[in-house]
Amino acid sequence: RKEVEQDPGPFNVPEGATVAFNCTYSNSASQSFFWYRQDCRKEPKLLMSVYSSGNEDGRFTAQLNRASQYISLLIRDSKLSDSATYLCVVNPAGSNTGKLIFGQGTTLQVKP
Amino acid sequence: DGGITQSPKYLFRKEGQNVTLSCEQNLNHDAMYWYRQDPGQGLRLIYYSQIVNDFQKGDIAEGYSVSREKKESFPLTVTSAQKNPTAFYLCASRRLLRAYNSPLHFGNGTRLTVT
Repeated sequence: RKEVEQDPGPFNVPEGATVAFNCTYSNSASQSFFWYRQDCRKEPKLLMSVYSSGNEDGRFTAQLNRASQYISLLIRDSKLSDSATYLCVVNPAGSNTGKLIFGQGTTLQVKP
Repeated sequence: DGGITQSPKYLFRKEGQNVTLSCEQNLNHDAMYWYRQDPGQGLRLIYYSQIVNDFQKGDIAEGYSVSREKKESFPLTVTSAQKNPTAFYLCASRRLLRAYNSPLHFGNGTRLTVT
């Protein structure tokens, strides 16, 4: 089993739709989690850190479910500009080395 | 503004030549990382460093070398021993104080093509 797993997609949704991605992780003691957005041929950019209580930033909501060992990203009212690959990143337990673990990414395509 | 600078953006080399990719940060981050990304693939860790004059191998270190002589700088050399060097190379950094909630900051990448 991979340490961090994501459905690669692509998720094809119409503008205005709500879409959700999950990311599962294998290390139950993992400490922190992040969602990054990566546009084609560009560097990843931090979208959200994921806190235990969940957090929201405009149309984006991130949740953590420690019991089932997954994090989720919900995008409401999808825009064409949301089309990108979304990377899930996990900081494993005891990793002060900062060896963060990346998922393969989920591709979102928002259609007009 | 603080950030990470990678240069050059595009690099072309002949097979058999070593090439060095530059990465500089002015974020005062302790840790620096090199990742490789192939088309349609995720990021794979090549090397990382938590402190000056120290670094550790990542998952795909063979054919690569690094140095960390200054906190701000973490150059990556792609040697002729690397069998498939053509890829997108990303440098990143993060602070280690309260590392559990410290995200990675990325440079804008170097696209290396070896023919």
